[in-house]
Parts: sequence; structure tokens; C-alpha cells
Amino acid sequence: KAGVTQTPRYLIKTRGQQVTLSCSPISGHRSVSWYQQTPGQGLQFLFEYFSETQRNKGNFPGRFSGRQFSNSRSEMNVSTLELGDSALYLCASSLEVAGQNTGELFFGEGSRLTVL
Amino acid sequence: AQTVTQSQPEMSVQEAETVTLSCTYDTSENNYYLFWYKQPPSRQMILVIRQEAYKQQNATENRFSVNFQKAAKSFSLKISDSQLGDTAMYFCASPLLSTSGTYKYIFGTGTRLKVLA
Repeated sequence: KAGVTQTPRYLIKTRGQQVTLSCSPISGHRSVSWYQQTPGQGLQFLFEYFSETQRNKGNFPGRFSGRQFSNSRSEMNVSTLELGDSALYLCASSLEVAGQNTGELFFGEGSRLTVL
Repeated sequence: AQTVTQSQPEMSVQEAETVTLSCTYDTSENNYYLFWYKQPPSRQMILVIRQEAYKQQNATENRFSVNFQKAAKSFSLKISDSQLGDTAMYFCASPLLSTSGTYKYIFGTGTRLKVLA
């Protein structure tokens, strides 16, 4: 079974631009969550999608948005990029258990974004 | 607010020795899970071990075990017989029950472990 796939793996943008990152979860996983990883800050939760609906959202500005498609693939978008948005963006999928997601997260390798 | 704290940014251990990584958390939940994840250099993050809060017995996975102190809200990871492949960032994580009735995971800031030959 294929793992979580994130594209692109690396990208460089300049301030003010926007970026879209893609995540394909493990087959059968309907929950997809996104995290921003920076040195010293650990993983910061961005949002989680389940069956095309955003179920949870972290404390990030509105420039960060996402969506999920009917095949569970997810995209996140960051508009008006700032230098501080440089980070590794991780996507994770999980399998719902009894209607609640308290199980293991399966992570992709991440998309490393550099904003110049 | 729910928090997960890892107070050791970096640690090192000699190969074959034992090392313990600390994690404390704060939650108002009674029943919850706690996790340790491992992120090797330039590789995917993977689950190391999981502990269910209602189970008093500490979880064990081969060379990895936890010391779960529910009252103290402490969840440390012990790695026995350390191997070079254990070199990685280790993250402690706890799910937070949100207003939607579902869980989102809160991660600590990580401990960078280096195993020395």
C-alpha cells in the first residue's frame, strides 16, 4: 500500500507570491491533517479535513487555507507569502476508529518551502 | 490550553547505552492517548510507541518503552540498547479534543537525539 505522498518536495518562492501544496493520503484514509514544522517550534497544527470538510483549524492567519477532494486528496494554499512562512509542511493521514481519530498518524516526507 | 512540553532540545547517548527522553503534558481529558514519533534526518516521521491513558501498564515496543505517570502528567520515552539508527528528532504528541468533537494532535518542540558510535 502506497504511503502518504506530498508534492512538491522542495520549492522556492518570493515574498508576496502564493503557493499550493498537495497531499495524497494512504488509500482508505479519509482524515488528512497539515502541520508546519520549524526549528524550535516543533509541529504546529494547521488544519484537518475529513470527507471534504474542515473539522479542525489551528491558530494560523487566513492566508493559510486548504481543501479536500472527494478522493481524500488534500491541498493547502498559502497566499501573500512572508519570510516567516519558510518551513517544512507536513501532511498526515489517519484512519478513523469508531468515529473518532485517536489513532496513528501517517506522515508524508513533507514539502520544504523557502520564501526569499 | 492543552500543552505538550519537551524540555530537552538535544541529547546524545553512546551506542548500546540507555537514554530517556522527557515529556510533560497538560490536559483536562480523562481518557486520551499519548504518542512518541520519530523523525530521522530527511525521512518521514513514524510512530514509535503509543500509550492509552486508562491503561496503567506502561507500553513497550521492543527496545522502546514509556514511563507513564498520569497524576504527574509525565510521559517519558526510554530507549534501551541505543543504535545508530535511533539518531533522529523525537516528538511527543497528545490529541486535543476540539469543539467539533474530534481530535487534533498537539506536538512538543522535539528532542534531537544523537547516538554516538
